[in-house]
Amino acid sequence: DGGITQSPKYLFRKEGQNVTLSCEQNLNHDAMYWYRQDPGQGLRLIYYSQIVNDFQKGDIAEGYSVSREKKESFPLTVTSAQKNPTAFYLCASSIRAGANVLTFGAGSRLTVL
Amino acid sequence: QKEVEQNSGPLSVPEGAIASLNCTYSDRGSQSFFWYRQYSGKSPELIMSIYSNGDKEDGRFTAQLNKASQYVSLLIRDSQPSDSATYLCAVNIITGTYKYIFGTGTRLKVLA
Repeated sequence: DGGITQSPKYLFRKEGQNVTLSCEQNLNHDAMYWYRQDPGQGLRLIYYSQIVNDFQKGDIAEGYSVSREKKESFPLTVTSAQKNPTAFYLCASSIRAGANVLTFGAGSRLTVL
Repeated sequence: QKEVEQNSGPLSVPEGAIASLNCTYSDRGSQSFFWYRQYSGKSPELIMSIYSNGDKEDGRFTAQLNKASQYVSLLIRDSQPSDSATYLCAVNIITGTYKYIFGTGTRLKVLA
Protein backbone atom coordinates (compact mmCIF):
# COMPACT_ATOMS: atom_id res chain seq x y z
CA ASP A 1 0.00 0.00 0.00
CA GLY A 2 1.15 3.52 -0.73
CA GLY A 3 1.83 5.89 2.07
CA ILE A 4 4.27 7.99 4.04
CA THR A 5 6.72 6.46 6.48
CA GLN A 6 8.21 8.57 9.22
CA SER A 7 10.98 7.40 11.50
CA PRO A 8 11.74 7.24 14.29
CA LYS A 9 8.35 7.39 15.99
CA TYR A 10 9.90 8.60 19.24
CA LEU A 11 13.23 10.37 19.61
CA PHE A 12 15.03 11.79 22.59
CA ARG A 13 17.74 14.39 22.13
CA LYS A 14 20.19 16.01 24.46
CA GLU A 15 20.58 19.74 24.23
CA GLY A 16 23.16 20.76 21.67
CA GLN A 17 22.66 17.73 19.44
CA ASN A 18 21.40 17.72 15.88
CA VAL A 19 18.85 15.06 14.97
CA THR A 20 17.41 14.01 11.62
CA LEU A 21 13.83 12.85 11.12
CA SER A 22 13.20 10.63 8.14
CA CYS A 23 10.23 10.94 5.77
CA GLU A 24 9.75 8.58 2.81
CA GLN A 25 6.74 8.40 0.49
CA ASN A 26 5.83 5.93 -2.25
CA LEU A 27 2.80 7.85 -3.50
CA ASN A 28 4.68 9.45 -6.40
CA HIS A 29 3.71 12.86 -5.02
CA ASP A 30 5.64 15.92 -6.17
CA ALA A 31 5.16 18.07 -3.07
CA MET A 32 6.27 17.31 0.47
CA TYR A 33 5.89 19.25 3.70
CA TRP A 34 7.11 19.31 7.30
CA TYR A 35 4.85 20.58 10.05
CA ARG A 36 5.34 21.03 13.74
CA GLN A 37 2.52 20.61 16.26
CA ASP A 38 2.70 21.72 19.87
CA PRO A 39 0.12 20.66 22.50
CA GLY A 40 -3.22 22.35 21.89
CA GLN A 41 -1.91 24.02 18.77
CA GLY A 42 -2.55 23.72 15.08
CA LEU A 43 0.06 22.66 12.58
CA ARG A 44 2.79 25.14 11.69
CA LEU A 45 4.72 24.82 8.45
CA ILE A 46 8.48 24.39 8.77
CA TYR A 47 9.57 23.71 5.18
CA TYR A 48 7.97 22.56 1.97
CA SER A 49 9.21 21.27 -1.35
CA GLN A 50 7.32 21.46 -4.62
CA ILE A 51 9.76 19.38 -6.66
CA VAL A 52 13.05 17.56 -6.31
CA ASN A 53 16.07 19.75 -5.50
CA ASP A 54 13.84 22.65 -4.51
CA PHE A 55 12.45 23.68 -1.14
CA GLN A 56 11.15 26.82 0.56
CA LYS A 57 11.02 28.02 4.14
CA GLY A 58 7.72 27.95 5.92
CA ASP A 59 6.63 30.04 8.86
CA ILE A 60 9.02 28.60 11.45
CA ALA A 61 12.14 27.48 9.54
CA GLU A 62 14.73 28.86 11.97
CA GLY A 63 16.77 26.06 13.52
CA TYR A 64 15.71 23.48 10.93
CA SER A 65 17.16 22.29 7.63
CA VAL A 66 15.90 19.98 4.87
CA SER A 67 17.03 18.40 1.63
CA ARG A 68 15.12 16.98 -1.34
CA GLU A 69 17.58 14.94 -3.37
CA LYS A 70 15.04 12.28 -4.29
CA LYS A 71 11.33 12.56 -5.01
CA GLU A 72 10.56 9.97 -2.36
CA SER A 73 12.56 11.47 0.49
CA PHE A 74 12.38 14.72 2.47
CA PRO A 75 14.43 14.45 5.68
CA LEU A 76 14.27 17.15 8.36
CA THR A 77 17.24 18.03 10.56
CA VAL A 78 16.53 19.71 13.87
CA THR A 79 19.68 21.61 14.71
CA SER A 80 21.02 22.81 18.03
CA ALA A 81 19.95 26.30 16.97
CA GLN A 82 16.30 25.34 17.47
CA LYS A 83 15.66 26.61 20.98
CA ASN A 84 12.51 24.66 21.79
CA PRO A 85 12.46 21.54 19.63
CA THR A 86 10.23 19.35 21.80
CA ALA A 87 7.14 18.78 19.62
CA PHE A 88 5.24 16.39 17.37
CA TYR A 89 6.62 16.52 13.82
CA LEU A 90 4.43 15.61 10.87
CA CYS A 91 5.53 14.96 7.32
CA ALA A 92 2.96 15.26 4.55
CA SER A 93 2.78 15.05 0.79
CA SER A 94 0.43 16.06 -2.01
CA ILE A 95 0.19 15.25 -5.71
CA ARG A 96 1.31 18.79 -6.43
CA ALA A 97 1.76 21.87 -4.29
CA GLY A 98 -1.25 24.03 -3.68
CA ALA A 99 -4.59 22.56 -4.52
CA ASN A 100 -4.56 18.97 -3.44
CA VAL A 101 -5.26 16.95 -0.36
CA LEU A 102 -2.43 16.39 2.10
CA THR A 103 -1.56 12.86 3.14
CA PHE A 104 0.22 12.63 6.49
CA GLY A 105 2.71 10.23 7.96
CA ALA A 106 2.23 8.86 11.47
CA GLY A 107 4.47 11.52 12.99
CA SER A 108 7.66 11.66 15.03
CA ARG A 109 7.64 12.83 18.63
CA LEU A 110 10.87 14.58 19.62
CA THR A 111 11.70 15.23 23.25
CA VAL A 112 14.70 17.22 24.41
CA LEU A 113 16.16 15.97 27.68
CA GLN B 1 -6.01 38.46 13.16
CA LYS B 2 -5.29 34.77 12.76
CA GLU B 3 -5.47 33.51 9.21
CA VAL B 4 -7.67 30.54 10.09
CA GLU B 5 -9.75 30.65 13.26
CA GLN B 6 -11.61 27.91 15.08
CA ASN B 7 -13.26 27.71 18.47
CA SER B 8 -11.01 25.43 20.54
CA GLY B 9 -13.92 23.85 22.42
CA PRO B 10 -14.49 21.38 23.79
CA LEU B 11 -17.78 21.03 21.98
CA SER B 12 -19.87 18.42 23.76
CA VAL B 13 -22.84 16.77 22.04
CA PRO B 14 -24.91 13.74 23.01
CA GLU B 15 -24.68 10.57 20.95
CA GLY B 16 -26.97 10.75 17.94
CA ALA B 17 -27.03 14.55 17.80
CA ILE B 18 -25.66 16.85 15.09
CA ALA B 19 -22.26 18.39 15.79
CA SER B 20 -21.54 21.70 14.07
CA LEU B 21 -17.95 22.86 13.70
CA ASN B 22 -17.04 26.27 12.30
CA CYS B 23 -13.99 27.87 10.77
CA THR B 24 -13.33 31.38 9.44
CA TYR B 25 -10.43 32.48 7.26
CA SER B 26 -8.93 35.83 6.35
CA ASP B 27 -7.50 35.43 2.83
CA ARG B 28 -10.18 36.06 0.19
CA GLY B 29 -7.95 34.42 -2.44
CA SER B 30 -8.14 31.03 -0.73
CA GLN B 31 -9.12 28.29 -3.13
CA SER B 32 -9.31 24.98 -1.29
CA PHE B 33 -10.68 24.03 2.09
CA PHE B 34 -10.24 20.88 4.11
CA TRP B 35 -11.40 19.27 7.33
CA TYR B 36 -9.07 16.84 9.07
CA ARG B 37 -9.80 14.68 12.10
CA GLN B 38 -7.01 14.06 14.60
CA TYR B 39 -7.21 11.58 17.44
CA SER B 40 -5.00 12.25 20.42
CA GLY B 41 -1.37 11.35 19.67
CA LYS B 42 -2.12 10.49 16.04
CA SER B 43 -1.67 12.25 12.74
CA PRO B 44 -4.50 14.10 10.97
CA GLU B 45 -6.68 12.23 8.50
CA LEU B 46 -8.80 13.85 5.81
CA ILE B 47 -12.55 13.98 6.41
CA MET B 48 -13.74 16.33 3.68
CA SER B 49 -12.46 18.69 1.02
CA ILE B 50 -14.54 21.46 -0.55
CA TYR B 51 -13.66 23.87 -3.32
CA SER B 52 -16.84 25.71 -4.32
CA ASN B 53 -19.63 27.50 -2.50
CA GLY B 54 -22.43 25.38 -1.13
CA ASP B 55 -22.75 22.04 0.58
CA LYS B 56 -20.88 18.80 0.01
CA GLU B 57 -22.11 15.62 1.64
CA ASP B 58 -20.24 12.40 2.33
CA GLY B 59 -22.04 9.91 4.52
CA ARG B 60 -22.68 11.47 7.93
CA PHE B 61 -20.48 14.47 7.12
CA THR B 62 -21.48 17.69 5.34
CA ALA B 63 -19.06 20.50 4.57
CA GLN B 64 -20.45 23.96 3.88
CA LEU B 65 -18.50 26.76 2.22
CA ASN B 66 -19.44 30.43 1.98
CA LYS B 67 -16.65 32.38 0.31
CA ALA B 68 -18.45 35.73 0.55
CA SER B 69 -18.59 35.41 4.34
CA GLN B 70 -15.25 33.59 4.49
CA TYR B 71 -16.35 30.64 6.54
CA VAL B 72 -16.41 26.90 6.18
CA SER B 73 -18.27 24.52 8.45
CA LEU B 74 -18.52 20.80 9.09
CA LEU B 75 -21.70 19.08 10.22
CA ILE B 76 -21.57 15.59 11.68
CA ARG B 77 -24.95 13.87 11.78
CA ASP B 78 -25.78 11.01 14.14
CA SER B 79 -22.63 11.72 16.16
CA GLN B 80 -20.92 8.67 17.63
CA PRO B 81 -18.46 8.39 20.54
CA SER B 82 -15.85 7.38 17.95
CA ASP B 83 -16.20 10.86 16.44
CA SER B 84 -14.64 12.32 19.59
CA ALA B 85 -11.44 13.94 18.33
CA THR B 86 -9.96 17.28 17.37
CA TYR B 87 -11.12 18.63 14.01
CA LEU B 88 -8.67 20.80 12.11
CA CYS B 89 -9.73 23.24 9.45
CA ALA B 90 -7.11 23.82 6.73
CA VAL B 91 -7.14 26.46 4.01
CA ASN B 92 -4.95 26.49 0.93
CA ILE B 93 -3.59 29.95 0.32
CA ILE B 94 -2.32 30.51 -3.20
CA THR B 95 -0.98 33.99 -2.89
CA GLY B 96 2.68 33.79 -3.83
CA THR B 97 3.35 30.65 -1.86
CA TYR B 98 1.81 27.22 -2.12
CA LYS B 99 1.00 26.38 1.44
CA TYR B 100 -1.79 25.32 3.72
CA ILE B 101 -2.77 27.18 6.87
CA PHE B 102 -4.27 25.17 9.70
CA GLY B 103 -6.55 26.35 12.45
CA THR B 104 -5.82 25.31 16.03
CA GLY B 105 -8.65 22.79 15.95
CA THR B 106 -11.93 22.22 17.75
CA ARG B 107 -12.09 19.38 20.25
CA LEU B 108 -15.33 17.43 19.93
CA LYS B 109 -16.68 15.18 22.67
CA VAL B 110 -19.59 12.89 21.88
CA LEU B 111 -21.23 11.73 25.07
CA ALA B 112 -22.63 8.20 25.16
